Amino acid sequence: SAVISQKPSRDICQRGTSLTIQCQVDSQVTMMFWYRQQPGQSLTLIATANQGSEATYESGFVIDKFPISRPNLTFSTLTVSNLSPEDSSIYLCSVDRPPGGQETQYFGPGTRLLVL
Amino acid sequence: GQQVMQIPQYQHVQEGEDFTTYCNSSTTLSNIQWYKQRPGGHPVFLIQLVKSGEVKKQKRLTFQFGEAKKNSSLHITATQTTDVGTYFCAVTPKTSYDKVIFGPGTSLSVIP
Repeated sequence: SAVISQKPSRDICQRGTSLTIQCQVDSQVTMMFWYRQQPGQSLTLIATANQGSEATYESGFVIDKFPISRPNLTFSTLTVSNLSPEDSSIYLCSVDRPPGGQETQYFGPGTRLLVL
Repeated sequence: GQQVMQIPQYQHVQEGEDFTTYCNSSTTLSNIQWYKQRPGGHPVFLIQLVKSGEVKKQKRLTFQFGEAKKNSSLHITATQTTDVGTYFCAVTPKTSYDKVIFGPGTSLSVIP
């Protein structure tokens, strides 16, 4: 099974600043996904990150606000830019069909962001 | 666009009672997955259903995929306090094989 770590696990940020979240996987995976989970809500897909190409963003999410990097098959970053209190959420990365894994999607532990 | 609904939104049961949550899609699905998220935790994959009418069991949990591949159910027999959490269905539409869309979830509370 895949082990996914995220850094930071939580942060408190000021309005107007940016936060970059790192996601590290212990095996090479083709696709990595970034989700947002607002308090008490379900998970909403922000974008899909493939190595070597630009991320594919879902409706309502744009690259200027959520730039993503995917420099190799085990790592990705999500930046949440120009923070506002509405960005306070849990941000989760996940990976699809890791080699040798039976499950189809693993999630990282999440990054809890509070914007003041 | 793709819509995923789950009912009920919340369920409070006495320990030992059964629990069922239902997931409905607006479109035909390639597959459906179920996840459990404990309070303060991240979603953990439970199972994937692929075939029309498929039924799978995991101990006290029974998962069913509808014949039309547009709905699914998760049934827990004789709930325990360890079953507390939010149960999400997640669907892969037939038109988008690499995308997983989560339902709103059913939050289960178990009263000891």
